[in-house]
Amino acid sequence: RKEVEQDPGPFNVPEGATVAFNCTYSNSASQSFFWYRQDCRKEPKLLMSVYSSGNEDGRFTAQLNRASQYISLLIRDSKLSDSATYLCGLSGGYNKLIFGAGTRLAVHP
Amino acid sequence: GAVVSQHPSWVICKSGTSVKIECRSLDFQATTMFWYRQFPKQSLMLMATSNEGSKATYEQGVEKDKFLINHASLTLSTLTVTSAHPEDSSFYICSARGTGVRLTQPQHFGDGTRLSIL
Repeated sequence: RKEVEQDPGPFNVPEGATVAFNCTYSNSASQSFFWYRQDCRKEPKLLMSVYSSGNEDGRFTAQLNRASQYISLLIRDSKLSDSATYLCGLSGGYNKLIFGAGTRLAVHP
Repeated sequence: GAVVSQHPSWVICKSGTSVKIECRSLDFQATTMFWYRQFPKQSLMLMATSNEGSKATYEQGVEKDKFLINHASLTLSTLTVTSAHPEDSSFYICSARGTGVRLTQPQHFGDGTRLSIL
């Protein structure tokens, strides 16, 4: 089983739609969780950290469920500019950041 | 904010050439840096952890003699792809987190190096 699993998509949604991604992880000792956004042929950029209590940043909401070992990302009112690949990342011991395969999102007019 | 610089951005070279990629933390010190590789339409795969002043820690399946890592200072790590072949063509990205920064703080990524071996 992979350490971090994501639905690769693609998710094709119209502008204004709400879309949610999940990411499951196998290592219960994982300590820190993040969502990154990666545009084609670019480096990943941090979208938001994920906290146990859940956190929101504008149109983006992240949740962590330690009992079920998954994190989620909700995007409301999708924009064309949200089209990208969304990577979940987690780190635990040894300071290593491990990524899922990424979920592709395509927002169309 | 904190910045990580990676150089070069693009490399195109002949098979058998060795290629060195630099990763610098510009406004913070990084005891540890990380090297990733990403093939088209695949995820970022951690290759190794670069430790300042000591040997790098390689992930399973990554050849340490093929991918030489040197972390001689608190702001610079280098990855050398020795005797590169077409199958080594990929997108290589480094990341770093400031020394002493909590694990809950995210890492900062370089811009990546696109390596093409002919």
